[in-house]
Amino acid sequence: DQQVKQNSPSLSVQEGRISILNCDYTNSMFDYFLWYKKYPAEGPTFLISISSIKDKNEDGRFTVFLNKSAKHLSLHIVPSQPGDSAVYFCAASRINNFNKFYFGSGTKLNVKP
Amino acid sequence: DTAVSQTPKYLVTQMGNDKSIKCEQNLGHDTMYWYKQDSKKFLKIMFSYNNKELIINETVPNRFSPKSPDKAHLNLHINSLELGDSAVYFCASSQAFGGANEKLFFGSGTQLSVL
Repeated sequence: DQQVKQNSPSLSVQEGRISILNCDYTNSMFDYFLWYKKYPAEGPTFLISISSIKDKNEDGRFTVFLNKSAKHLSLHIVPSQPGDSAVYFCAASRINNFNKFYFGSGTKLNVKP
Repeated sequence: DTAVSQTPKYLVTQMGNDKSIKCEQNLGHDTMYWYKQDSKKFLKIMFSYNNKELIINETVPNRFSPKSPDKAHLNLHINSLELGDSAVYFCASSQAFGGANEKLFFGSGTQLSVL
């Protein structure tokens, strides 16, 4: 029973445009969310996070939006660059729950030059 | 100067064999984890250790036994390997185990193929 879902396995975007990656979760107890980026043959690397007390967090070209009522979060990348081409995983947990993170299955982003 | 390193990167073995995967972190973190990426690409937690103490033990067959000799190392031993064990196994570490703003630092993964 997957508690975090990324329903788009892949996304293709033109360089310079916006990339929007989506993530849904089912457990209303989750209060901390992260996005990870993964290149082939490497481990996932942390990108950005958001806690449930916020609905938006921004870091440079990356912005994460959280809609608690819809149990939905999204990652916006503006402008997209070819180096952003990777698999993006969202993850969710409850703060103070031993870092038990639940991950989605990832969305493969391809940014075309 | 890798932060979380795991070996081997690739492991090909026969059904029924016993194998180990090693993980070391040089970040000074207190908590280490094993995650399994299954065929559907979900990353699922298997175990976590905090200062050598087992914290999380998910529903994992007892053929899988983690060992943490010190807080910088967490190894995974798998007995009697089965075809279904084929997956990518990721080691990870974090500063602590559950405050706000925690994040995981991952190794590059071990691709296990059981023939």
